[in-house]
Amino acid sequence: AQTVTQSQPEMSVQEAETVTLSCTYDTSESDYYLFWYKQPPSRQMILVIRQEAYKQQNATENRFSVNFQKAAKSFSLKISDSQLGDAAMYFCAYRAVHSGNTPLVFGKGTRLSVIA
Amino acid sequence: DTAVSQTPKYLVTQMGNDKSIKCEQNLGHDTMYWYKQDSKKFLKIMFSYNNKELIINETVPNRFSPKSPDKAHLNLHINSLELGDSAVYFCASSHIAGEETQYFGPGTRLLVL
Repeated sequence: AQTVTQSQPEMSVQEAETVTLSCTYDTSESDYYLFWYKQPPSRQMILVIRQEAYKQQNATENRFSVNFQKAAKSFSLKISDSQLGDAAMYFCAYRAVHSGNTPLVFGKGTRLSVIA
Repeated sequence: DTAVSQTPKYLVTQMGNDKSIKCEQNLGHDTMYWYKQDSKKFLKIMFSYNNKELIINETVPNRFSPKSPDKAHLNLHINSLELGDSAVYFCASSHIAGEETQYFGPGTRLLVL
């Protein structure tokens, strides 16, 4: 079974600084997708960034970028120029590619605080 | 222009009652899911439906019964509610194939007293 591990229950960062959230996963599949979701206090699950395992290039969305190391099964999220609105729970998630639909497997989350 | 909506957002009820949570998506997706987020924020899949057909049914008590009247709706009915059912329940949807991202509803916070 696939598992996703986020080893940092809590992180903090100064406003305008950079922070990296860690995520590792375990799978025997060669083709899959990886996601980072953000959950602010409003509880809404918001997609931050997505990475296809077959792509070597790291995904980037504005201030958010990932460091995807397929051999190491590592998928970290870097947030640059942190803003107060970035404060939230961040979940790393894995989704296998099979025929048919496959659910997301989530890590336990990292709570990010942004200090003004 | 809400993509995935759930009702109600909050549900407070007594042990032993039966309750339902409704989910609707207007994204034209063919697959819908129910996830449960426990008190420690851990999210886990419960059910998955594709075109009104149950595809995934994780180890969930049979007091939980999903129903999909059409591919835009997936409701969750819970019988004989227990204290341990207190959680946030999220509906999500996606296309069946490929890299399609799952889009989540706002969640329903269920509190069983």
